[in-house]
Amino acid sequence: AQRVTQPEKLLSVFKGAPVELKCNYSYSGSPELFWYVQYSRQRLQLLLRHISRESIKGFTADLNKGETSFHLKKPFAQEEDSAMYYCALSVGAQKLVFGQGTRLTINP
Amino acid sequence: DVKVTQSSRYLVKRTGEKVFLECVQDMDHENMFWYRQDPGLGLRLIYFSYDVKMKEKGDIPEGYSVSREKKERFSLILESASTNQTSMYLCASEPGLDPLEQYFGPGTRLTVT
Repeated sequence: AQRVTQPEKLLSVFKGAPVELKCNYSYSGSPELFWYVQYSRQRLQLLLRHISRESIKGFTADLNKGETSFHLKKPFAQEEDSAMYYCALSVGAQKLVFGQGTRLTINP
Repeated sequence: DVKVTQSSRYLVKRTGEKVFLECVQDMDHENMFWYRQDPGLGLRLIYFSYDVKMKEKGDIPEGYSVSREKKERFSLILESASTNQTSMYLCASEPGLDPLEQYFGPGTRLTVT
């Protein structure tokens, strides 16, 4: 079955602390994974994709096929990182399966 | 910039009404999608379309239908609205080529009373 699990509905960290948003997936094919972000009163938008292996706004995510994970990390959280984060898995034919989402709050 | 627009930000309808949600994209994208977004459930795919007059069921199509008469426009139809269809509805478009990136509209918050 194709599934994306984000175990934390809410995550709260202090400014300057490291952040890790967890994402695990279940997929029999070769996975393509994404992180989407929704800031307050803004539309959902792509943050990063694993195939690009890039850092966006200080965030990185590494695909670990052994652990079937794609955790999102940032070494030093900033207040503007507060948002809703969704992990997504491409399951072919341009379809995405999304996780349940994690609301990240950065405390000053 | 890709622009995806949705006809309404907020909509209140009565149980049993027929509801139309409209989505328009201006980048000649091949693929369009309708999701509903619910707290704790994330985004769930209702329907998607690869081309004009083409549609495919997503994960939760029951109670919904769609129409794509023109490439830029994708409509979601609730034939007979029910209270369990109260939700945030998101439309997205995607060019159909790599890289795979979906572009989302601002959302329509539908309340069915």
